[in-house]
Amino acid sequence: EAEVAQSPRYKITEKSQAVAFWCDPISGHATLYWYRQILGQGPELLVQFQDESVVDDSQLPKDRFSAERLKGVDSTLKIQPAELGDSAMYLCASSYGDSLYEQYFGPGTRLTVT
Amino acid sequence: EDQVTQSPEALRLQEGESSSLNCSYTVSGLRGLFWYRQDPGKGPEFLFTLYSAGEEKEKERLKATLTKKESFLHITAPKPEDSATYLCAVRGGGGGNKLTFGTGTQLKVEL
Repeated sequence: EAEVAQSPRYKITEKSQAVAFWCDPISGHATLYWYRQILGQGPELLVQFQDESVVDDSQLPKDRFSAERLKGVDSTLKIQPAELGDSAMYLCASSYGDSLYEQYFGPGTRLTVT
Repeated sequence: EDQVTQSPEALRLQEGESSSLNCSYTVSGLRGLFWYRQDPGKGPEFLFTLYSAGEEKEKERLKATLTKKESFLHITAPKPEDSATYLCAVRGGGGGNKLTFGTGTQLKVEL
């Protein structure tokens, strides 16, 4: 069964350092999403890609977060510099298309900023 | 702005004790209501999508139903392996494919 892959699974970093997360969506899925989930809350969308283009990044803190999907396949989310409040689970999801398709999530990257 | 409220926050059941989880929503032009299961430290696992009031879907011991204001996830004769957090999300009519999630119901099923 095809799955969304993410790495690393866990990351501990000091505040002010840079950190990057990688996501490989299910093969053939054109739409890719990055979510942030704070403990005890539901996931919140950070950015959505359709192929290599950003569709929605309205909730992405652009002063410190960046995301790219250069070839329309895998994607990288970067935080620079990391802050204590960035500690959370970062989830990647993908879907076959845009409006009418379910989103399938990867296992997530648990980030702890010290 | 789309809003999702789930209740109860936590639920403890005995094995075999059926119950229901509630998801109340406010959305402009519903384009799908989704149920996910999330185990500790893992990503959400897709369960169901419902599109219109009156629609029902089933999977093993789970059954999801939808009205114009809320959705229920019914769990029949639960087993300990059903223990997880159940998340509800809506996709509204504001364009794009953004999902708005509730905070989840943490279910624990005991022997």
